[in-house]
Amino acid sequence: QIQLVQSGPELKKPGESVKISCKASGYTFTDYAMHWVKQAPGKGLKWMGWINTYTGKPTYADDFKGRFVFSLEASASTANLQISNLKNEDTATYFCARGRFDYWGQGVMVTVSS
Amino acid sequence: EIVLTQSPTTTAASPGEKVTITCLASSSVSNMYWYQQKSGASPKLLIYSTSSLASGVPDRFSGSGSGTSYSLTINTMEAEDAATYYCQQWSSNPLTFGSGTKLEIK
Repeated sequence: QIQLVQSGPELKKPGESVKISCKASGYTFTDYAMHWVKQAPGKGLKWMGWINTYTGKPTYADDFKGRFVFSLEASASTANLQISNLKNEDTATYFCARGRFDYWGQGVMVTVSS
Repeated sequence: EIVLTQSPTTTAASPGEKVTITCLASSSVSNMYWYQQKSGASPKLLIYSTSSLASGVPDRFSGSGSGTSYSLTINTMEAEDAATYYCQQWSSNPLTFGSGTKLEIK
């Protein structure tokens, strides 16, 4: 069956970096894009952008240009999200979602606190 | 950026009651998508391309609309439908979500 399994929760200090993974199984990884979605505590969903899993080309929403990097380990059917220079406002759950948003990862809670 | 405004923000319904959630777009969109998110869980796709039911979704859910006005209807409310519902568009970049409608069971 199709699954997106994300890495575990993270506790980081401001200024540090974090890398979140999203491992896909049950389908051909390169057939579908991968999206990233942020959900701050008690808030709604915010689209961060997507990565073309065939070419590796990322596209970032305006609010996520600069400190955010989408990458792939295609041989491992894995998409990654790296956030550098973490800020308190990066505290959120981060979801990966397959191209049609028909399958979602379970989410990764990232907490940024000094 | 297309802003999606959902109404109501919060509502409650009794089992068996009909529920309608509205999503108004700041500009015309060609399609709308709807998601259900239960507390502590990932969002789940309910409706795609405005009115098509996603796989495994009960047929008490339906979607309709065009242009700037779209709606999600639950024909007969069940306790398991208590959740937050989001609309979403990608007719225009960036992809945007509505702010959500929290649906509670009475």
